[in-house]
Amino acid sequence: DAKTTQPNSMESNEEEPVHLPCNHSTISGTDYIHWYRQLPSQGPEYVIHGLTSNVNNRMASLAIAEDRKSSTLILHRATLRDAAVYYCILIYQTGANNLFFGTGTRLTVIP
Amino acid sequence: NAGVTQTPKFRILKIGQSMTLQCAQDMNHNYMYWYRQDPGMGLKLIYYSVGAGITDKGEVPNGYNVSRSTTEDFPLRLELAAPSQTSVYFCASSYGGGVKRTDTQYFGPGTRLTVL
Repeated sequence: DAKTTQPNSMESNEEEPVHLPCNHSTISGTDYIHWYRQLPSQGPEYVIHGLTSNVNNRMASLAIAEDRKSSTLILHRATLRDAAVYYCILIYQTGANNLFFGTGTRLTVIP
Repeated sequence: NAGVTQTPKFRILKIGQSMTLQCAQDMNHNYMYWYRQDPGMGLKLIYYSVGAGITDKGEVPNGYNVSRSTTEDFPLRLELAAPSQTSVYFCASSYGGGVKRTDTQYFGPGTRLTVL
């Protein structure tokens, strides 16, 4: 399975943008990049996913490098509620039906 | 919709005891999963199911059993509990097993289990 590498922790001031990086240098052409986050004492929740093009939704944006060896999750204005562990996960196009979680990036939002 | 529900929220077991963690979903999802999360770690897959009557092992299945008699329910059985099974257990479900938005997984609130 292709691996991902994320920083252990990051901090951001409230209402400022946050860029959470993920390296996946061994990604294959059929791997999709998914992001989940886990709020304190809760189960993970889906944030966003993409293949090659940048993606936007109401929660965040996903910027994917042209060579697909890295990606960045962008929270446009961090709120206290965004404090969580963020996981970058690769999923095979052919239908891998489970998620391989690493240790993720713990985001602290400073009021 | 209640989504994915899990019971109990907390449980303390003695070594050698058995118990069943309950999981139910009301989204008519085909796929269901059980994960465990040890302190400070990511989630690891225990078992999963692609539909009623079909289950398969994940990364860490030893010491656990599952069954899937209905679409809605996916209980996880611990036989002969051991301290190494102290963890938080999450159940999840998804419509499909692929990469579409509709295949993303929805997680329950978790069960915190301590084995003493």
